[in-house]
Amino acid sequence: DAKTTQPPSMDCAEGRAANLPCNHSTISGNEYVYWYRQIHSQGPQYIIHGLKNNETNEMASLIITEDRKSSTLILPHATLRDTAVYYCIVRPLAGSARQLTFGSGTQLTVLP
Amino acid sequence: DAMVIQNPRYQVTQFGKPVTLSCSQTLNHNVMYWYQQKSSQAPKLLFHYYDKDFNNEADTPDNFQSRRPNTSFCFLDIRSPGLGDAAMYLCATNLGQANQPQHFGDGTRLSIL
Repeated sequence: DAKTTQPPSMDCAEGRAANLPCNHSTISGNEYVYWYRQIHSQGPQYIIHGLKNNETNEMASLIITEDRKSSTLILPHATLRDTAVYYCIVRPLAGSARQLTFGSGTQLTVLP
Repeated sequence: DAMVIQNPRYQVTQFGKPVTLSCSQTLNHNVMYWYQQKSSQAPKLLFHYYDKDFNNEADTPDNFQSRRPNTSFCFLDIRSPGLGDAAMYLCATNLGQANQPQHFGDGTRLSIL
């Protein structure tokens, strides 16, 4: 079962920051938070991941709360091409269960 | 350049007629995964190979099999496709470390007539 909770949908104006929340209240100390997105008819695309600290790359920023029970993915300047389903996934550090267990995700629609 | 390549992108087969989907990778990753994604649903893992070790998910139907003849290639065989097997099939690869992301192909969309 997925260990994350996300809103089913969100809208964002083009050029504005998109902030996508994720709740993972049962996360354990040996689990990463991963974010992927899936544009229609394409495979999931890796965005970013983190364990404890906030992370930033060329695509997005990941803010993880101090208690690690929730996180926020930030797309700083959303474009129409960012319209996609965004998945927040909790993934164990070790063991054979290193697969990704996808939840329902958030459908982000960027509006012109 | 695509690093995880799935062929074909679209596959049509007849009810009960065996079908094979293929996946190749140029990343030299240890792990290869097959996911099934039905319309408007999230991807669901079917099985994965860690090198030559096959790992089946408990609820994957027996109708689904996989082969990995070498590091670069992995195949998904559906022995007797039913209408409920119509879906997008996604292949992914990974180095086998939790702090490394999985890389996905663009999938094969399977239709059953």
